Amino acid sequence: GEDVEQSLFLSVREGDSSVINCTYTDSSSTYLYWYKQEPGAGLQLLTYIFSNMDMKQDQRLTVLLNKKDKHLSLRIADTQTGDSAIYFCAETRDTGRRALTFGSGTRLQVQP
Amino acid sequence: NAGVMQNPRHLVRRRGQEARLRCSPMKGHSHVYWYRQLPEEGLKFMVYLQKENIIDESGMPKERFSAEFPKEGPSILRIQQVVRGDSAAYFCASSPPVGGKGQETQYFGPGTRLLVL
Repeated sequence: GEDVEQSLFLSVREGDSSVINCTYTDSSSTYLYWYKQEPGAGLQLLTYIFSNMDMKQDQRLTVLLNKKDKHLSLRIADTQTGDSAIYFCAETRDTGRRALTFGSGTRLQVQP
Repeated sequence: NAGVMQNPRHLVRRRGQEARLRCSPMKGHSHVYWYRQLPEEGLKFMVYLQKENIIDESGMPKERFSAEFPKEGPSILRIQQVVRGDSAAYFCASSPPVGGKGQETQYFGPGTRLLVL
């Protein structure tokens, strides 16, 4: 079955880099996503990567995909206090079923 | 261009009452998805709809829950005879039509937080 796993918590100091990791089991995953959720808010799409890519960079965000190990990571450079939030990894397949399967989220705490 | 809109943002119901949650997709989006988030958990898929059609309801509980996306108006998630275990945040997302630009992306609304007393 489908499963997406993330570590629960990460604490970093302001200015450091943060790396949030995610593993998934579905080898037919086509798109992999990172969403950010601030307290009491909805999910903000940060970035996503197609499975035939191994890296995508967007300003402070770098996504790395190791398809062989089914491992996805999100690196946030120069982490700021405003980056404190819960980060969700999600995947979907490019078939008629378009539902996203989410991990349980990683809570990022940025200390000043 | 307004994002995905959901209302109400907060809803309190007593056990046995009905809850109606509304979602208006982004302009130009014809696909709507509903997800449920229990406290301290990730989002779980419930149902995927296009206008007047349910495409995938594999995540919907078999009883008391229903969803629709009529030709006119918002998508509605309806929960009949609510129980305490229904307390959660319900998120709606929308995406462009298949074949359209950005079809692989889902944009989320702010959610409706349902509390059942």
